[in-house]
Amino acid sequence: DTAVSQTPKYLVTQMGNDKSIKCEQNLGHDTMYWYKQDSKKFLKIMFSYNNKELIINETVPNRFSPKSPDKAHLNLHINSLELGDSAVYFCASSQDPIPSTDTQYFGPGTRLTVL
Amino acid sequence: DAKTTQPNSMESNEEEPVHLPCNHSTISGTDYIHWYRQLPSQGPEYVIHGLTSNVNNRMASLAIAEDRKSSTLILHRATLRDAAVYYCILRAQGGSEKLVFGKGTKLTVNP
Repeated sequence: DTAVSQTPKYLVTQMGNDKSIKCEQNLGHDTMYWYKQDSKKFLKIMFSYNNKELIINETVPNRFSPKSPDKAHLNLHINSLELGDSAVYFCASSQDPIPSTDTQYFGPGTRLTVL
Repeated sequence: DAKTTQPNSMESNEEEPVHLPCNHSTISGTDYIHWYRQLPSQGPEYVIHGLTSNVNNRMASLAIAEDRKSSTLILHRATLRDAAVYYCILRAQGGSEKLVFGKGTKLTVNP
């Protein structure tokens, strides 16, 4: 069974559209994350949720809105897509309440291409 | 989170040991040293972490210098499947939940 899954794997869309990426984890973890990896391969945190509550928001444009219907899911909705949003988006989860020692488990990524 | 410095790339031959260095001269006494790797077209995966003592697990070993200003990830027998970008990340006790990724070291394993 896949621990952290994301759908879709690939997403190609036009500028200005609204799209969503879904993430689910079956590890029973309390904390979930969204990371973005740009064309230069830099990986950066976007959001983090703990038990459905937002705990990290890294100056991401408000066109990006994470939604956590329950602690096993963290979806990412993006409004008015721009060319610069093209990237690979990774979902992750972790359980250890002590950040300095926790392990994060990543999904396979969603490659978003905005035309 | 304190900064780390890693070589941009390294090469190894299959079935030989690989030593991946990481410098973290500004590490504080309670920073943990974590290693993650990212195989091509996959999400990052956890490799190992430690504080002061050397650590071993089924994937790798982590050797931490006595002054903690550097560490080395050791893959005892590299396989083609170990070709990946390896990231050395410091995590502060009481710090943020986020992982701060640098550029990492791209490891190429030659058959």
